[in-house]
Amino acid sequence: EADIYQTPRYLVIGTGKKITLECSQTMGHDKMYWYQQDPGMELHLIHYSYGVNSTEKGDLSSESTVSRIRTEHFPLTLESARPSHTSQYLCASSASNVGGVAQYFGPGTRLLVL
Amino acid sequence: ILNVEQSPQSLHVQEGDSTNFTCSFPSSNFYALHWYRWETAKSPEALFVMTLNGDEKKKGRISATLNTKEGYSYLYIKGSQPEDSATYLCAYHSGGGADGLTFGKGTHLIIQP
Repeated sequence: EADIYQTPRYLVIGTGKKITLECSQTMGHDKMYWYQQDPGMELHLIHYSYGVNSTEKGDLSSESTVSRIRTEHFPLTLESARPSHTSQYLCASSASNVGGVAQYFGPGTRLLVL
Repeated sequence: ILNVEQSPQSLHVQEGDSTNFTCSFPSSNFYALHWYRWETAKSPEALFVMTLNGDEKKKGRISATLNTKEGYSYLYIKGSQPEDSATYLCAYHSGGGADGLTFGKGTHLIIQP
């Protein structure tokens, strides 16, 4: 049973606000990921982490930032939300094996910036 | 940016019928091919992770094959049931670079009773 949680599930917020999307996993996985999905489009990797104090940018450029202070927690922050940030954000984690191991996904956060 | 293509984009199938759909991906720098099922309002759930050319995996009524030389994978569902309705995502992992997956847009499958 995968245990990876995201909050909030839905967020409607005004332009210019700072927001943090939370992601936590209880599986002890070293690797964690953030994907972004615009309507009708693919999931795109925006951030990933190999472990505590490791953060890397993904294939898709994003104005968001991430931190990894604890193994189980990988929050994503937008300092000043804009309508272009409206999207769905999914967090995932995997055991510390390269590529050949499945990723476990959270339920996602749907963000609407007005 | 790598391209992963899935077809068809959407598919309506009668309950009880079998169906299949395709994922094509770059054949160079291949490391793994993932299939996920994503039901509405739920998290994507891993079905298969395939790494070897010629690999064939099965989970109940669902199976998948892999051809890494020509860069394609097929997902088969035998005797479709309403609970199979979901979006099926294919994702490619190359041997280098970011450790995340490159996804296709998915095949949206609707099983009609």
